Amino acid sequence: SQQGEEDPQALSIQEGENATMNCSYKTSINNLQWYRQNSGRGLVHLILIRSNEREKHSGRLRVTLDTSKKSSSLLITASRAADTASYFCAFQGAQKLVFGQGTRLTINP
Amino acid sequence: NAGVMQNPRHLVRRRGQEARLRCSPMKGHSHVYWYRQLPEEGLKFMVYLQKENIIDESGMPKERFSAEFPKEGPSILRIQQVVRGDSAAYFCASSPPTGGYEQYFGPGTRLTVT
Repeated sequence: SQQGEEDPQALSIQEGENATMNCSYKTSINNLQWYRQNSGRGLVHLILIRSNEREKHSGRLRVTLDTSKKSSSLLITASRAADTASYFCAFQGAQKLVFGQGTRLTINP
Repeated sequence: NAGVMQNPRHLVRRRGQEARLRCSPMKGHSHVYWYRQLPEEGLKFMVYLQKENIIDESGMPKERFSAEFPKEGPSILRIQQVVRGDSAAYFCASSPPTGGYEQYFGPGTRLTVT
């Protein structure tokens, strides 16, 4: 299957801790993207990392990409209750996005 | 600049009826993508369209599903003779015609087949 794989499937941490989610894929890619989805809502684009980049930052988010291992990680630092959501990686070869199954992140106050 | 708009947001159909989902891309965007999300799952690509052309429909079921993006007006995803298994959230995304790969997603249409 082309679909990306994410782990863990669910993650529960205390507010203020860091959260790390991982994504692996099987094909060659142009870029890898991370999205957030609050329950019952649409997707919010978080960050895009191109295949020739190794690390990217955006606020409290840090994304790494290892094309030799075909894997990426998303780190959310100093988590907040509002970060509770599902997080999806999506990799892009040509035009379409191929999504992972998602990680359900719960931040406990 | 309005984002990607989808309507209706919620749609209830009985088995055998037709469902029409509409997507208006962001202003200036000429590429539209449709994705389906089953409960507790990630999004799965269905079809990629440019104005008046279907570019990639590799994710579309072979029967009952069709999509179009006319020269004027929104993109339409049409599901004929709906079945319970079609119940899902359908998301539309758009991207600009040149450069960049980021896709901008609409809020989705939640289809319930009873």
